[in-house]
Amino acid sequence: ETGVTQTPRHLVMGMTNKKSLKCEQHLGHNAMYWYKQSAKKPLELMFVYNFKEQTENNSVPSRFSPECPNSSHLFLHLHTLQPEDSALYLCASSQDLGGGTDTQYFGPGTRLTVL
Amino acid sequence: GQNIDQPTEMTATEGAIVQINCTYQTSGFNGLFWYQQHAGEAPTFLSYNVLDGLEEKGRFSSFLSRSKGYSYLLLKELQMKDSASYLCAATDSNYQLIWGAGTKLIIKP
Repeated sequence: ETGVTQTPRHLVMGMTNKKSLKCEQHLGHNAMYWYKQSAKKPLELMFVYNFKEQTENNSVPSRFSPECPNSSHLFLHLHTLQPEDSALYLCASSQDLGGGTDTQYFGPGTRLTVL
Repeated sequence: GQNIDQPTEMTATEGAIVQINCTYQTSGFNGLFWYQQHAGEAPTFLSYNVLDGLEEKGRFSSFLSRSKGYSYLLLKELQMKDSASYLCAATDSNYQLIWGAGTKLIIKP
């Protein structure tokens, strides 16, 4: 399944580093999402983009900065992270927003460890 | 507040049947999703219910009762490859997905 790809798959970074996560979807979808998944916790929606425009920012700290240059690509820029930011970061896409029936298709995630 | 409850972990035997329950409390309701997530992999879509009743897809079925705020995922003829986490998510009135923490299903031979 290569509908949604994410790179890198694993990332270890120090608290002073700057890194970026990349997501690409090959499904022709218009909406893209960033989620944080921590062990034994529900998925936390971080950002939503629809037609390249950010429509949702769920009170995410400014050390996470999203970028969506086009409907197929989504980035998450990371800087001065904290150890508690260690988690699996999942990217997803859907045909459109809303309607309640738009299935989200997920990438395999980036396992981030902050030292 | 909005909340999704599902068991943290369940164990079942290969070849058997297992039912994973999910209860939800959301402001409005526009459907409920089930996803499967194998360890280290992406969540993958299993089912979507918006009307009351049972939807069957091969070995997997999903049930919804809107009046009770309740859904279940039924897995028949369990196979070892069904060992995974199963995520329940409800869509609220703003079409936002509210996620449960997932149920880890362990299949034993």
